[in-house]
Amino acid sequence: NAGVMQNPRHLVRRRGQEARLRCSPMKGHSHVYWYRQLPEEGLKFMVYLQKENIIDESGMPKERFSAEFPKEGPSILRIQQVVRGDSAAYFCASSGNSGAISETQYFGPGTRLLVL
Amino acid sequence: AQSVSQHNHHVILSEAASLELGCNYSYGGTVNLFWYVQYPGQHLQLLLKYFSGDPLVKGIKGFEAEFIKSKFSFNLRKPSVQWSDTAEYFCAVNMRFGAGTRLTVKP
Repeated sequence: NAGVMQNPRHLVRRRGQEARLRCSPMKGHSHVYWYRQLPEEGLKFMVYLQKENIIDESGMPKERFSAEFPKEGPSILRIQQVVRGDSAAYFCASSGNSGAISETQYFGPGTRLLVL
Repeated sequence: AQSVSQHNHHVILSEAASLELGCNYSYGGTVNLFWYVQYPGQHLQLLLKYFSGDPLVKGIKGFEAEFIKSKFSFNLRKPSVQWSDTAEYFCAVNMRFGAGTRLTVKP
């Protein structure tokens, strides 16, 4: 059973470009979470999605960041007009269908974004 | 506001020493508590979790954690660490993570 997959693993962008990060949850999971880890900091919750629904986006920056989880295909975290401060590791996790907060989250390997 | 505090940023121990990593939280509602571990070069994985029942929770690899509601704490413990426990440990409350504690175990 394949785990959570994220691609690309490494992404380099110049200031002002767009970054698109993809996350394919574990088979059978319909809940996806995105986290950001800045250097020397812990994981910061960004957004929690169910297929075609954003459940909690309280951790998302108000501008330039968006996330979706369509009915078909992976979840996408999109960062428009990237700035140097967006350089971080972005982790995706998925959980089972109940969506309960007590469900274990299974993490992907992360995407390391570097903005030049 | 919800917050999760891990007070130790880096802990260095010798093999066979006992371990306790602190985790305190601030949250007014129902809490679901987790400890995750990230070994060098690997994904985060679950060590143990608590959401109801016995406040002393046993996890994998000999780890345990105790939920003390009155202290808003969920400290992680292991009686005797091994070199292979070298990793970063994250406490989480619902979907909020602490900053992590890096554990280095010297052989």
